[in-house]
Amino acid sequence: DQQVKQNSPSLSVQEGRISILNCDYTNSMFDYFLWYKKYPAEGPTFLISISSIKDKNEDGRFTVFLNKSAKHLSLHIVPSQPGDSAVYFCAASQTSGSRLTFGEGTQLTVNP
Amino acid sequence: DGGITQSPKYLFRKEGQNVTLSCEQNLNHDAMYWYRQDPGQGLRLIYYSQIVNDFQKGDIAEGYSVSREKKESFPLTVTSAQKNPTAFYLCASSIRGGYYEQYFGPGTRLTVT
Repeated sequence: DQQVKQNSPSLSVQEGRISILNCDYTNSMFDYFLWYKKYPAEGPTFLISISSIKDKNEDGRFTVFLNKSAKHLSLHIVPSQPGDSAVYFCAASQTSGSRLTFGEGTQLTVNP
Repeated sequence: DGGITQSPKYLFRKEGQNVTLSCEQNLNHDAMYWYRQDPGQGLRLIYYSQIVNDFQKGDIAEGYSVSREKKESFPLTVTSAQKNPTAFYLCASSIRGGYYEQYFGPGTRLTVT
């Protein structure tokens, strides 16, 4: 039972344009969401998070949007840079829970 | 400086042998986690521990075992019962269990032939 799904295995964008990575979840008890970035043969690093009491959180070039009614979140990267090329994972949790649940990841490629 | 270390980076074993992957953190975090990553799949939770001397099974615990005798250490043993042990293994920690940001180690690539 995949509770967090990233339906696009890959995404390719031009440098300077916007990258939009999507994530859907099925568990209505999830109330906290995180995005991680992962380079090959390295551990993921935390990017940005959002609580269900908000619908948007921004940090520099990265913005996460949450649509609770649709059980959907997205990560926007503007402008995209070649160094952003990596696998992006979304993760979800209950604030009362004990773990994160990760999606399958989306490989972002930013072309110069 | 603080962080999570996993050793070794690459590990090779023969089928039928148990192997133990090391994970150490000096972040003073209470919670620690083990994940497995396979090509095209996300991070699947094997085991996690919210406090010393306590741990819980994750989604794919079969064929694995852990211990948490010290706050800093959370070793993972891949037993011969694990049917497909070849994978990239990631250890993580967080200040407490739950929704808190997890910090990941660099990972161990295990190859079993």
